[in-house]
Amino acid sequence: TQLLEQSPQFLSIQEGENLTVYCNSSSVFSSLQWYRQEPGEGPVLLVTVVTGGEVKKLKRLTFQFGDARKDSSLHITAAQPGDTGLYLCAGPIQGAQKLVFGQGTRLTINP
Amino acid sequence: SQTIHQWPATLVQPVGSPLSLECTVEGTSNPNLYWYRQAAGRGLQLLFYSVGIGQISSEVPQNLSASRPQDRQFILSSKKLLLSDSGFYLCAWSPSLHQNTEAFFGQGTRLTVV
Repeated sequence: TQLLEQSPQFLSIQEGENLTVYCNSSSVFSSLQWYRQEPGEGPVLLVTVVTGGEVKKLKRLTFQFGDARKDSSLHITAAQPGDTGLYLCAGPIQGAQKLVFGQGTRLTINP
Repeated sequence: SQTIHQWPATLVQPVGSPLSLECTVEGTSNPNLYWYRQAAGRGLQLLFYSVGIGQISSEVPQNLSASRPQDRQFILSSKKLLLSDSGFYLCAWSPSLHQNTEAFFGQGTRLTVV
């Protein structure tokens, strides 16, 4: 059973379009993180959201943490080919000192 | 600054052979350490994590084991590799998760068991 469910698993759109990917759980998290991974490399952190309802912006990327802290979304405006990659959400399991990941969204932006 | 080193970058091993992947962290002390495995283009499956020397938690039953002989060294091992052990292995470290801090990843090891 996947603790963090990401959707969609694959997304291919044209340059300039907008998109939203989701990370959902039935569990409450103290925070959720979004990473981006390039082929053959380790994931790199984009953002951490901590407060329920929090919205963070990173240029054309907007991250939101659900009010109940069970879900998060990543919205990209005017997608560019450079946004292509695997987007992963992750959350800490408190008390167990471990970080668990969703299965990822493979995003492809076509020129 | 903190850095994480993971090697080798790629490895091709025959079925039944042993495995040893090493990961070291510099510039920090008492980090949490993690081994993840990733299927092609998919999410990360947590294999092992450690909060201190000699303290290993295993997440899934498998053909692998982990050890932490020193504070900043984390080793992933197998006595006899299976074909199903092929994958992309990632080592990561983080400060204590109480502060909602991020995980920092190594460059990964692409393991192919033939």
